[in-house]
Amino acid sequence: ETGVTQTPRHLVMGMTNKKSLKCEQHLGHNAMYWYKQSAKKPLELMFVYNFKEQTENNSVPSRFSPECPNSSHLFLHLHTLQPEDSALYLCASSQERDLSYEQYFGPGTRLTVT
Amino acid sequence: GQSLEQPSEVTAVEGAIVQINCTYQTSGFYGLSWYQQHDGGAPTFLSYNALDGLEETGRFSSFLSRSDSYGYLLLQELQMKDSASYFCAVRDSNYQLIWGAGTKLIIKP
Repeated sequence: ETGVTQTPRHLVMGMTNKKSLKCEQHLGHNAMYWYKQSAKKPLELMFVYNFKEQTENNSVPSRFSPECPNSSHLFLHLHTLQPEDSALYLCASSQERDLSYEQYFGPGTRLTVT
Repeated sequence: GQSLEQPSEVTAVEGAIVQINCTYQTSGFYGLSWYQQHDGGAPTFLSYNALDGLEETGRFSSFLSRSDSYGYLLLQELQMKDSASYFCAVRDSNYQLIWGAGTKLIIKP
């Protein structure tokens, strides 16, 4: 148990569906992150929230929409996705938004877009 | 562009020593981290180097040379449970977090 939970663990959705990924951290951290992990590619940082404020958006398509209602919860809303969006989506948190602070990762949501 | 380079796969024998290299090209540098990820699992933090030199934590050590834009992770007394993917990551001067593609470590008995 890493202290970061993600639901659902697996998701299959069509290109016209709307779904949301949920992440919750029980560690009292101030920073939360969404990553995309595709096979044999570097982890792609998608969004960063620090004290509930979005601080980074790495040119992510608008079909991905993050939401951070409080410092413990992070959502990723998905709509009209493409098959190339199929990947493992990882949530992470850290005490502060700095590389020197260890990031704690959740188990990920395996997303398949059909 | 910004990039981190690490070998895609390394094979070693149980009980041996293995070194996984990471070279980076980034605009600025605020430190190099290493993470381990087992198949089907979440990445877990191993080490962080901000200054040159070797940091040792048990069987694992991490080295950094900022002048060479290079670091490595050294794993000693390899165990089968060390079979995993290992990622290096660098934060650049724009506070962007750049990750390597990962090195799959295969350990043979």
